[in-house]
Amino acid sequence: EADIYQTPRYLVIGTGKKITLECSQTMGHDKMYWYQQDPGMELHLIHYSYGVNSTEKGDLSSESTVSRIRTEHFPLTLESARPSHTSQYLCASRFGGEKLFFGSGTQLSVL
Amino acid sequence: AQRVTQPEKLLSVFKGAPVELKCNYSYSGSPELFWYVQYSRQRLQLLLRHISRESIKGFTADLNKGETSFHLKKPFAQEEDSAMYYCALSAKSYNTDKLIFGTGTRLQVFP
Repeated sequence: EADIYQTPRYLVIGTGKKITLECSQTMGHDKMYWYQQDPGMELHLIHYSYGVNSTEKGDLSSESTVSRIRTEHFPLTLESARPSHTSQYLCASRFGGEKLFFGSGTQLSVL
Repeated sequence: AQRVTQPEKLLSVFKGAPVELKCNYSYSGSPELFWYVQYSRQRLQLLLRHISRESIKGFTADLNKGETSFHLKKPFAQEEDSAMYYCALSAKSYNTDKLIFGTGTRLQVFP
């Protein structure tokens, strides 16, 4: 089924661990985005990509990195997680200027 | 700088009352604006976009370039309209296409 998938749904880890949040879409979308959202707060754009091998930083400074080696895959990596990284991370994709499709999100808690 | 402002964090009304969720934007280019909605335990999804000039679930929004506003309106609120509403701006330039979100407004419709 054409959709956008994020795994894991929930992640609890200790400080200093390296983590990768997965995001895949099966809709053939060229553009993909990562947003960070704290409860009841706005969505902050942290990374986006317009296609394979294209990645840009968003408006909110983030210590995370992303890669876009395949059209359908846009993982986000934190080399050394800290409690300040605790948040919800939303992945989204779209084709051209069409509407954005969101994943279910990953709720990250760093202890 | 591009910015989306939603001045109300929470809007509470009774069923059948009119609703207006405010959204103002700041953007030097030609704006493309959207309203996204998140119902409880569901993903963020598109409600409507200004270029479509359509009414979805009884909601409408008109782009007012003079006032730089894109307020969301519904004449008679329903309980199922209770959700989190986000106004978003597509900020395009020759090499970027970012979708910037406001802080969101929680709409509570009481019976």
